[in-house]
Amino acid sequence: KAGVTQTPRYLIKTRGQQVTLSCSPISGHRSVSWYQQTPGQGLQFLFEYFSETQRNKGNFPGRFSGRQFSNSRSEMNVSTLELGDSALYLCASRRTDRTDTQYFGPGTRLTVL
Amino acid sequence: DQQVKQNSPSLSVQEGRISILNCDYTNSMFDYFLWYKKYPAEGPTFLISISSIKDKNEDGRFTVFLNKSAKHLSLHIVPSQPGDSAVYFCAARSNSGAGSYQLTFGKGTKLSVIP
Repeated sequence: KAGVTQTPRYLIKTRGQQVTLSCSPISGHRSVSWYQQTPGQGLQFLFEYFSETQRNKGNFPGRFSGRQFSNSRSEMNVSTLELGDSALYLCASRRTDRTDTQYFGPGTRLTVL
Repeated sequence: DQQVKQNSPSLSVQEGRISILNCDYTNSMFDYFLWYKKYPAEGPTFLISISSIKDKNEDGRFTVFLNKSAKHLSLHIVPSQPGDSAVYFCAARSNSGAGSYQLTFGKGTKLSVIP
């Protein structure tokens, strides 16, 4: 069974631009979460989607948004990029909203210049 | 304020010996704990988990122990192998109800297993 896939794997943007990252969960998984990993802050929760609805949101500004489609695929958008948004963005999926374990994708490395 | 703490940034262990990675937490609402292993340029790989109603869970070479009263958990790897060299993250889930799910991670411990 294929794991969580994320595209693109690497991305370079400049300040002020916007970016969209994509995540395809494990087949049959309906919950998708996004995390940001930076050297200073570690892994931090961004938001979770289940059945196209945002269920939970972390402490990030409104420039960070996401959505989930009917096939459970998810996208994350960051507008007006700042240098501090440079990070590894990780997507994770779980089967249902009652499942305890999340499985992570390989991440998208975003560099903001 | 860090709710999940891994106080040892790094740990070196000889091959064949036991590796013990520690994690402390402060939030009493955490009810499920997970350990992930991460290699550079890859996403975290799930290793083992434990519910707050248990005090031990074992899976092959990996055992996780939970001490709720001390708000402490540990991951034991026996015997340690060079392929275990990676960064290990402790994560905790808070039960905020309605199926809502959010993991809080520690900063990680880099394990080096020396051949």
